[in-house]
Amino acid sequence: GAGVSQSPRYKVTKRGQDVALRCDPISGHVSLYWYRQALGQGPEFLTYFNYEAQQDKSGLPNDRFSAERPEGSISTLTIQRTEQRDSAMYRCASSELAGGNYNEQFFGPGTRLTVL
Amino acid sequence: QKEVEQNSGPLSVPEGAIASLNCTYSDRGSQSFFWYRQYSGKSPELIMFIYSNGDKEDGRFTAQLNKASQYVSLLIRDSQPSDSATYLCAVNPGGFKTIFGAGTRLFVKA
Repeated sequence: GAGVSQSPRYKVTKRGQDVALRCDPISGHVSLYWYRQALGQGPEFLTYFNYEAQQDKSGLPNDRFSAERPEGSISTLTIQRTEQRDSAMYRCASSELAGGNYNEQFFGPGTRLTVL
Repeated sequence: QKEVEQNSGPLSVPEGAIASLNCTYSDRGSQSFFWYRQYSGKSPELIMFIYSNGDKEDGRFTAQLNKASQYVSLLIRDSQPSDSATYLCAVNPGGFKTIFGAGTRLFVKA
């Protein structure tokens, strides 16, 4: 079946612009995660959804970052007033079960964000 | 101290050898542990998970967990050039967050 998809795959924007990154999880998956991955580093947790409920947003760096999953499926990560330090690969992952424990995560291909 | 620490490598082993990858974690209450493989330019994919102390084997892969020492390892037997990748250790300290290490780069020389 289809895996996790993300769009756009590449996004180049100018400093100060807002961007919206989309994630379409595996159908039926309860959990959805957003991560940011810098080159040479592991994924850094940003936020977690259980269906439409955002149950952990402790990894969002500041209030310019927000995420939603209004119908418990597709999710959008929005970054307002982008800064150059926001440039990174943004990855989405989904898993079948709720909660982070004992839960295999399937990653999407990522969105490479470049802020000029 | 980082929450999940891995030697960044690169670790270079000859084809057919055993590759040993190590990871330590700081949260003693952590309950589930994962090894993901990430090829260059690709997304992480799960290869092993372990929840209990001891060894868990799956094909050429063995994960080892020692909660008292807060140590997780991954052994790859009969290493193949196709095993060349970055191996990410990930830990769930309870709750919803998963903490990833920076990864160890493995090169398997033909």
